[in-house]
Amino acid sequence: GQNIDQPTEMTATEGAIVQINCTYQTSGFNGLFWYQQHAGEAPTFLSYNVLDGLEEKGRFSSFLSRSKGYSYLLLKELQMKDSASYLCAVPNQAGTALIFGKGTTLSVSS
Amino acid sequence: DADVTQTPRNRITKTGKRIMLECSQTKGHDRMYWYRQDPGLGLRLIYYSFDVKDINKGEISDGYSVSRQAQAKFSLSLESAIPNQTALYFCATTGNADSADTQYFGPGTRLTVL
Repeated sequence: GQNIDQPTEMTATEGAIVQINCTYQTSGFNGLFWYQQHAGEAPTFLSYNVLDGLEEKGRFSSFLSRSKGYSYLLLKELQMKDSASYLCAVPNQAGTALIFGKGTTLSVSS
Repeated sequence: DADVTQTPRNRITKTGKRIMLECSQTKGHDRMYWYRQDPGLGLRLIYYSFDVKDINKGEISDGYSVSRQAQAKFSLSLESAIPNQTALYFCATTGNADSADTQYFGPGTRLTVL
């Protein structure tokens, strides 16, 4: 089967760096997505990793280790607007849909 | 204009009523999805469609039905709503390649069943 685990909640302060971890178990890996979702709003795409390593995109970076079934999202120079849920997702075994983790709610305080 | 729209955005209804949620997209995507989101449970797939007339059950399809009337439209129906169907419902689309394509979500419909 497929399973995705993420911490439920994290807190951090403005200007800090935070790392949100995601571990997954899947048959036939075909990439890993990170989405951001502000409360009551739609998820929006942040990143997609299919190869091992770190991909940087501005203040956000995403890392993947396929051998360890592990990914993390790194947020630098945190801002209040980064308070949101961060969802990790992988395609299902059939490649027909995404399976989402339950999300990590990040609270950024001043 | 938004690429993926949902109507209504909010709906309160009573147990036993039939409800239809509608989704439209202007992205020209073939693949469309319906999810529900509940606190602590994340996004769960209800139904998905890869083309007009193509319908596939997701993880939690019981109590729901869908219709893909056109490439751009995908509707979700609750034939007889019950309180545990109170949730935030999202429609999503993805491009014509495999499912590793990014999914684009509509703004969501908040449904309350009393």
